[in-house]
Amino acid sequence: EAGVTQFPSHSVIEKGQTVTLRCDPISGHDNLYWYRRVMGKEIKFLLHFVKESKQDESGMPNNRFLAERTGGTYSTLKVQPAELEDSGVYFCASSQEGSGELFFGEGSRLTVL
Amino acid sequence: GQQLNQSPQSMFIQEGEDVSMNCTSSSIFNTWLWYKQDPGEGPVLLIALYKAGELTSNGRLTAQFGITRKDSFLNISASIPSDVGIYFCAGSYYTGANSKLTFGKGITLSVRP
Repeated sequence: EAGVTQFPSHSVIEKGQTVTLRCDPISGHDNLYWYRRVMGKEIKFLLHFVKESKQDESGMPNNRFLAERTGGTYSTLKVQPAELEDSGVYFCASSQEGSGELFFGEGSRLTVL
Repeated sequence: GQQLNQSPQSMFIQEGEDVSMNCTSSSIFNTWLWYKQDPGEGPVLLIALYKAGELTSNGRLTAQFGITRKDSFLNISASIPSDVGIYFCAGSYYTGANSKLTFGKGITLSVRP
């Protein structure tokens, strides 16, 4: 069974540009989460989807971040326009309905110059 | 907000030694989890704890959910080189599907052959 997959694995962009990160959760997992780790700090929650609905988006830093999960399958996280402080590793995780055990992807490393 | 404290930031041990890692919080959590992250990979769940006082083992790993629900520890016995990585504790107030996790900053473990 395929795990959580994320694309791209690494993206280098300039300040002011736009980047879109994609996450494909484990098949059948209704819950999808985005987390972010800024270098040297803790992994922080961004938001949680249940199927296509945003259950909790309290961790989204500001309105430059937009997450979607159309159709309840894969999700995208768009940063527009990117700022220097957006650099970090963006993790996607998924879990089955009713389960608190999250399975993480390998992460997408974003570097904003 | 909720914070989990893990220290020290790095630990260096000799192969074959046992190592213990603590995680403390000023807030109560109802679920504690321990994750390990290898370089270039996403966090992988090692042990999940759901009940105060619970002691759970997974091979050479043992973890406990503190009675006060404000702490947890992870023990690794007879360490081997592949134990190298970053160990994160994570807590959730919820036990079910709404698993918004709060992570510690992680402890980087090095094992000398």
